[in-house]
Amino acid sequence: DTEVTQTPKHLVMGMTNKKSLKCEQHMGHRAMYWYKQKAKKPPELMFVYSYEKLSINESVPSRFSPECPNSSLLNLHLHALQPEDSALYLCASSRPPGQPNEKLFFGSGTQLSVL
Amino acid sequence: QQQVKQSPQSLIVQKGGISIINCAYENTAFDYFPWYQQFPGKGPALLIAIRPDVSEKKEGRFTISFNKSAKQFSLHIMDSQPGDSATYFCAAMENAGNMLTFGGGTRLMVKP
Repeated sequence: DTEVTQTPKHLVMGMTNKKSLKCEQHMGHRAMYWYKQKAKKPPELMFVYSYEKLSINESVPSRFSPECPNSSLLNLHLHALQPEDSALYLCASSRPPGQPNEKLFFGSGTQLSVL
Repeated sequence: QQQVKQSPQSLIVQKGGISIINCAYENTAFDYFPWYQQFPGKGPALLIAIRPDVSEKKEGRFTISFNKSAKQFSLHIMDSQPGDSATYFCAAMENAGNMLTFGGGTRLMVKP
């Protein structure tokens, strides 16, 4: 199984809503990532979890709250988002730092629209 | 500061032609250079990757050429097909790190 599964595939939410994005992998990877990708741009790193602990937070606003309940799951909780947060949110996984970790596996993403 | 510069931004190639995408980097600590292919509505997928100890790597119709002294690397797609139409991102990573630095992307269109 070399898949990273993300749900939902599409999400429309209002600025006062609370929603969550979910990500799951069963490759035994102990590093998981959230990226944000705007149209026609490369992915931008948001958060990195290594061994279920948050290791990198790229100065992301607090309206985005990540959570790593276990080694297979990664969530991104959304609250009070702005229209400019509309983007494709990608989850990825890999082996953690210190190990040969070249292969970063991406999910198909959640296309988020904030109205 | 953009650490990986990619060109061109867009490329149109006839079916059967060669597609060439170039990237240049600044950080000499980078030692892993992958290329990702992304179709609309999908996440990026690793296509091919190279380390600086070799100057070329070929997998099927895809070849990476690497010039360490010039700090440049390129992707060549031979016999380009309409199914290759996608956005291609070069990237770079430091040894023992886990953060990819992406280039700006190239939108490739292969005309039948």
